[in-house]
Parts: sequence; structure tokens; C-alpha cells
Amino acid sequence: NAGVTQTPKFQVLKTGQSMTLQCAQDMNHEYMSWYRQDPGMGLRLIHYSVGAGITDQGEVPNGYNVSRSTTEDFPLRLLSAAPSQTSVYFCAALKGANYGYTFGSGTRLTVV
Amino acid sequence: AQKITQTQPGMFVQEKEAVTLDCTYDTSDPSYGLFWYKQPSSGEMIFLIYQGSYDQQNATEGRYSLNFQKARKSANLVISASQLGDSAMYFCAMSAPTDSWGKLQFGAGTQVVVTP
Repeated sequence: NAGVTQTPKFQVLKTGQSMTLQCAQDMNHEYMSWYRQDPGMGLRLIHYSVGAGITDQGEVPNGYNVSRSTTEDFPLRLLSAAPSQTSVYFCAALKGANYGYTFGSGTRLTVV
Repeated sequence: AQKITQTQPGMFVQEKEAVTLDCTYDTSDPSYGLFWYKQPSSGEMIFLIYQGSYDQQNATEGRYSLNFQKARKSANLVISASQLGDSAMYFCAMSAPTDSWGKLQFGAGTQVVVTP
């Protein structure tokens, strides 16, 4: 039982390139979310999903797209990478409030 | 809109002592949940404890307890008998079902350093 799996763990992109950060969960959780963490700041919500086929924007959605075709997968797409998107990205899934969100191990993205 | 405030950017605590990390929140939702997470230097996010707004008792989980004062909108984390392994960044967060459980709002965090 892996929980939440994020790939890749590290990535370097050139400005203007696109890429997809993968997130998969094997817990059959309905809620999934993507966050970014910048130095000295807490995590900020990018996009979230309340179930397959349903997604919505969070606090900082610009430059990112998501889709949720299955319960298990919630990929995050960077459309045209910018240096401001250099950050650590976390994916999370929620079973129930009492259990808290389970986070993936994170993806450290650098855009040069 | 929800807001989480952690006013202590950093704290030093001696091993075996208790430490209280402050968290205040603001929401107009009557139903909400409060979470605490630990982020060690390795970077992973570790769920510590949860408090529901309608829970009658303060949450406890091993050495972690949550001092929930609803009228004051505070949800302070108390770590008893600190250990060296408690050195980490600690985040307070909240979510509300009327908005969506999928939306977790984080505070800026408190860095805790436990000294021998």
C-alpha cells in the first residue's frame, strides 16, 4: 500500500517547456489536491478535485491545468514553465478528516 | 475566506520540555476542521492531529494535544516531553466542508529546534 505516489522527485525545465507532474493514490480517496511550497511560506493550493471528473481552482491556479479521469490519478500540467514556478510541489489525498490528508513525497521543480 | 495565522516563525525548546505552537484561524463557516502537520528536514508532510469544530473534547494523539479554544479561534499544538526528533517545521491548516474538504488552507509554519 504505497499511499500517494508522486513522480518525478526532481525536475529541471527550461522556460517555456511544458511537463506533467504525476500523482497516483491507491487508497480510493475521493479528495485530491495539489499544493506548491515556496521558501518561508506554507503550502498554497493550486487545484483540487472532489472526485473523478470534478476539479476546481485553488489559490494559485494560473499556469497549471489538472484533470481527474480516474479516482486514482490526478496529474498536474505546467503549460509553459516560468521561473516563478520554481517550487516544491505536493500532491495530497483525503480519506476522511479524522485521518488527515496523506501527502506524496513531493517534486522539486526548478525552471531556468 | 479562511485564514490561518502562525505568529511564531521559530522556537528553541530543550529536550524533555513541553512546547506550545500557536495557531489562530478565521472562518465564517460553522463547521470546519483543523489539522497540524510536521515537516522534517527531509521534506515529507506528516499528519499529526485533527480537531473538528463540533468536537466536544480537545484532540490528543500520543505526545501531541490540541488546545482548542473555539471562541478565541485558536488551535494551539502542545508537544509534551520534546525529543530531538521533534525538530521540524510545523504547520497548522484548516478546511471546511461548506467550501470543500479538498481545500486545505495552511499557515506559514513554525520552525522548532529541540536542543539537548
